[in-house]
Amino acid sequence: KNQVEQSPQSLIILEGKNCTLQCNYTVSPFSNLRWYKQDTGRGPVSLTIMTFSENTKSNGRYTATLDADTKQSSLHITASQLSDSASYICVVSAGRGSTLGRLYFGRGTQLTVWP
Amino acid sequence: DAGVIQSPRHEVTEMGQEVTLRCKPISGHDYLFWYRQTMMRGLELLIYFNNNVPIDDSGMPEDRFSAKMPNASFSTLKIQPSEPRDSAVYFCASSFSSGTVIDYGYTFGSGTRLTVV
Repeated sequence: KNQVEQSPQSLIILEGKNCTLQCNYTVSPFSNLRWYKQDTGRGPVSLTIMTFSENTKSNGRYTATLDADTKQSSLHITASQLSDSASYICVVSAGRGSTLGRLYFGRGTQLTVWP
Repeated sequence: DAGVIQSPRHEVTEMGQEVTLRCKPISGHDYLFWYRQTMMRGLELLIYFNNNVPIDDSGMPEDRFSAKMPNASFSTLKIQPSEPRDSAVYFCASSFSSGTVIDYGYTFGSGTRLTVV
């Protein structure tokens, strides 16, 4: 069964600290994996997208890693800021070649950054 | 670019009424997606279009839901008749194809919060 599991469900950290969010998936065939940030009341915004051959990708203070063998991804946030408070959603796309495959969504990790 | 534009931002309607949600994708994007988000189920893909043609509507919950894309710059999601369990935030997203990764520039709209009472 194709699934995307994220952990933890919620996380509270102090401003300036680092944190790592986890995403495990069982989606096959794998096409790509993305991390989204969703602020309250807004639409999700893409942070990173990684294909099978990529194992790390950065976007400012956000660094995503992908281990396609173990089907795990992580999102590392460095020097957290209050504006990082949001839900972070992992999305895995199934498919091959140029065909858009079905998208599988994690339930998200709710991150709260305290001053 | 104004991004993906959805209207209305909020909609409150009575059970049994018809509801129409609207979306204007980013110019030049050839894919358009409709999503639903609830606390219980998270984000769910309802249907997506490629070059105005519906490709996969397997996520549409039932026949009360229908979506159209009459041209490259406009799409609608209609619920008729609406029910309280349809209450959710509905997102539209668009993207373009490039090489073998066909969904670059994946951009969500701000969503329509639907409340059916």
